[in-house]
Amino acid sequence: EVQLVESGGGLVQPGASLKLSCVASGFTFSDYWMSWVRQTPGKTMEWIGDIKYDGSYTNYAPSLKNRFTISRDNAKSTLYLQMSNVRSEDTATYYCTTISFAYWGQGTLVTVSS
Amino acid sequence: DIQMTQSPASLSASLGETVTIECRASEDIYNGLAWYQQKPGKSPQLLIYNANSLHTGVPSRFSGSGSGTQYSLKINSLQSEDVASYFCQQYYDYTFGAGTKLELK
Repeated sequence: EVQLVESGGGLVQPGASLKLSCVASGFTFSDYWMSWVRQTPGKTMEWIGDIKYDGSYTNYAPSLKNRFTISRDNAKSTLYLQMSNVRSEDTATYYCTTISFAYWGQGTLVTVSS
Repeated sequence: DIQMTQSPASLSASLGETVTIECRASEDIYNGLAWYQQKPGKSPQLLIYNANSLHTGVPSRFSGSGSGTQYSLKINSLQSEDVASYFCQQYYDYTFGAGTKLELK
């Protein structure tokens, strides 16, 4: 059974950095592209970006590429999202997803507030 | 960027009724569209991919259609477990529609 478990969310101050993780199981992690998607409290869904199965290539939503970095460790079956200089508008639930968005984690909530 | 306009924003329907939700893309997306269902407090679940292909395990009362810039999700014989929000997403730059909240009348 495919499982994706995100962690690392919480309350963070504006301007700070935060790193989210997504541990995968139930499939060959190193064979698949992985994506991050976020959902705001108002339920707006936004694709953040993705990473190639070997980690050699990443794509980002243009509005986020200067502050967010996606990486992966195939030996640990783990996907990461490094967020820097966070803003209040980054408050959202962050999901990892894979296999053409067929599988999603449960999400981790990031709240940016002073 | 390709914009996705989803309608209606909310919808109230009776059990057994047929419901249709629509998404319009700002340019031709060549059937590169998915539909998701999201229940309160849960993650999105894939229903339809490539505009009209039913994802594994999804009940056959759900169907997708469309082409070019216009796409729709139809739910036949609405069931109580279909109460949820529904989102479309295009595959070119992965933008989502704003969502449709479906409630029972």
